[in-house]
Amino acid sequence: DAKTTQPTSMDCAEGRAANLPCNHSTISGNEYVYWYRQIHSQGPQYIIHGLKNNETNEMASLIITEDRKSSTLILPHATLRDTAVYYCIVRPYTGGFKTIFGAGTRLFVKA
Amino acid sequence: NAGVTQTPKFQVLKTGQSMTLQCAQDMNHNSMYWYRQDPGMGLRLIYYSASEGTTDKGEVPNGYNVSRLNKREFSLRLESAAPSQTSVYFCASTGGGGTDTQYFGPGTRLTVL
Repeated sequence: DAKTTQPTSMDCAEGRAANLPCNHSTISGNEYVYWYRQIHSQGPQYIIHGLKNNETNEMASLIITEDRKSSTLILPHATLRDTAVYYCIVRPYTGGFKTIFGAGTRLFVKA
Repeated sequence: NAGVTQTPKFQVLKTGQSMTLQCAQDMNHNSMYWYRQDPGMGLRLIYYSASEGTTDKGEVPNGYNVSRLNKREFSLRLESAAPSQTSVYFCASTGGGGTDTQYFGPGTRLTVL
């Protein structure tokens, strides 16, 4: 399974876009990029996933580079409630048991 | 629709005691999972059940047993608790097929003295 590399922590001003990068240079052709977040020790929450096209939902946008070796999660207008640990995960589409959580990026949204 | 529920929310055990963590989901999901999360760390998979009647080891299964009681329920048992098992335990489920997105419960905070 591909490993991911994320910055340990990031800051963002409230109301601005938060751009969280993820490197997954060893991703396989059948592996998707998933993003989850964990707010203050609650259970992780699914945000978005994609294969090779950019994706957008009500929570965020996911930009995947053409070579699929990296991606960026974009929270368009960060709020204080978006302060959390964000996990970038690569795994096969139906491989829930292959979901490997690394240390993630701790995002601090500041007023 | 409660999603994934876990009981208890908190538990303190003495070394050597046993206990069972309960997990239930009401989303008619096929697959269920148990993770542990130590302070400052990501989640690590203990056991999972791809479907009713099957269970498989994850990354850190030693010291644990599981039972997939039915499609809704997946329990995690500590037969002889050790301080190294102090952690937050999360249960999750996925429907299989579709997006196969994992939905997590609120967690059980376990301290072993």
